[in-house]
Amino acid sequence: DGGITQSPKYLFRKEGQNVTLSCEQNLNHDAMYWYRQDPGQGLRLIYYSQIVNDFQKGDIAEGYSVSREKKESFPLTVTSAQKNPTAFYLCASSSGLAGVSYNEQFFGPGTRLTVL
Amino acid sequence: AQKVTQAQTEISVVEKEDVTLDCVYETRDTTYYLFWYKQPPSGELVFLIRRNSFDEQNEISGRYSWNFQKSTSSFNFTITASQVVDSAVYFCALSGENTGGFKTIFGAGTRLFVKA
Repeated sequence: DGGITQSPKYLFRKEGQNVTLSCEQNLNHDAMYWYRQDPGQGLRLIYYSQIVNDFQKGDIAEGYSVSREKKESFPLTVTSAQKNPTAFYLCASSSGLAGVSYNEQFFGPGTRLTVL
Repeated sequence: AQKVTQAQTEISVVEKEDVTLDCVYETRDTTYYLFWYKQPPSGELVFLIRRNSFDEQNEISGRYSWNFQKSTSSFNFTITASQVVDSAVYFCALSGENTGGFKTIFGAGTRLFVKA
């Protein structure tokens, strides 16, 4: 089955620690995204990647980092510099042509991160 | 700047009632796309529909219908004869040409409760 997997589903972190959230897709999509969702709010874009070895900051990139070494994988690291990291994190992907992607996004099941 | 407003935070209906979820958007782009996504309690967003700025035809898919009106910058979603399984958070989203369609702006979402 094609889709997006995120692991783990729940993650607990002590303050001051970095943590990496996994996102893998087997849809052969070029574009991948990371969003943050807080209670009662919409999705806010953290980072996106249009193609392998390339990524751009979204609206709330501070305190986060990403890499895109493989087409299938787009891990997100939440660093200790992120002041309020407790949230629900969603990874998504979409197909695109020539650097443009107006296509719908396919989402993973999400990772709920709690900082203790 | 692009913006999506979903003024209804929560809606509660009884099964078999019709319900309309409102979405108002702002953009200066000539070419843009509008989307609706459903987020059930499991957390994973599911794509429902995409509509481009040049196509104002209404769309019907089973019990779901969408009304796109550029004159009022609205893209409303109606569920006919609602069912308990329709209970979810629904997001309206906008993607425009000035970022190649990669930066999708999501509304805050409308939480729909359908009671049996």
